[in-house]
Amino acid sequence: AQTVTQSQPEMSVQEAETVTLSCTYDTSENNYYLFWYKQPPSRQMILVIRQEAYKQQNATENRFSVNFQKAAKSFSLKISDSQLGDTAMYFCAFMDRMDSSYKLIFGSGTRLLVRP
Amino acid sequence: DTGVSQNPRHKITKRGQNVTFRCDPISEHNRLYWYRQTLGQGPEFLTYFQNEAQLEKSRLLSDRFSAERPKGSFSTLEIQRTEQGDSAMYLCASSWDREETQYFGPGTRLLVL
Repeated sequence: AQTVTQSQPEMSVQEAETVTLSCTYDTSENNYYLFWYKQPPSRQMILVIRQEAYKQQNATENRFSVNFQKAAKSFSLKISDSQLGDTAMYFCAFMDRMDSSYKLIFGSGTRLLVRP
Repeated sequence: DTGVSQNPRHKITKRGQNVTFRCDPISEHNRLYWYRQTLGQGPEFLTYFQNEAQLEKSRLLSDRFSAERPKGSFSTLEIQRTEQGDSAMYLCASSWDREETQYFGPGTRLLVL
């Protein structure tokens, strides 16, 4: 069974600084997607960034980028120029493309606080 | 496109009562998912619909839980004879068939007293 591990329950960063959130996963599959979702306090979960396993190039979305190390099964999220609005729970998630349901398997999350 | 909506947003009930939650997915999304999120944890998959067919159920979905998606549009999740362990946030998500990204609703927070 696939598992996703986020080993940092809480992180904090000064506004405008850079922070990296860690995620490791375990799978024997080769065709999968990885996601980072953001869940602000009392608001709904939104997609931050996603990575297709067969693509070697790391995904980037504006201030958000990933470091995808397939052999190490590592998928970290880097947030550059942190903003107060980045304060949220961040969840790493795995999707097995061979599983017809496309269900997501989530880690336990990292609570990020951006300090002014 | 108004996004995924869920009602009610909050529900407090007494142990043993039945509760029903509703999810309205993004229009034309044919996949619909229910997840449960307990405090301090990530969401866990409960069940999945493709159109009106319920194609997969997690072992977390006990006999007291039932979900429907009549006509492939909105979905309901019913919990019968609620227990205190059912207290959680229930999240709904939807996606298009060829799209891997799931779009989440705001969730229904259930508290069983």
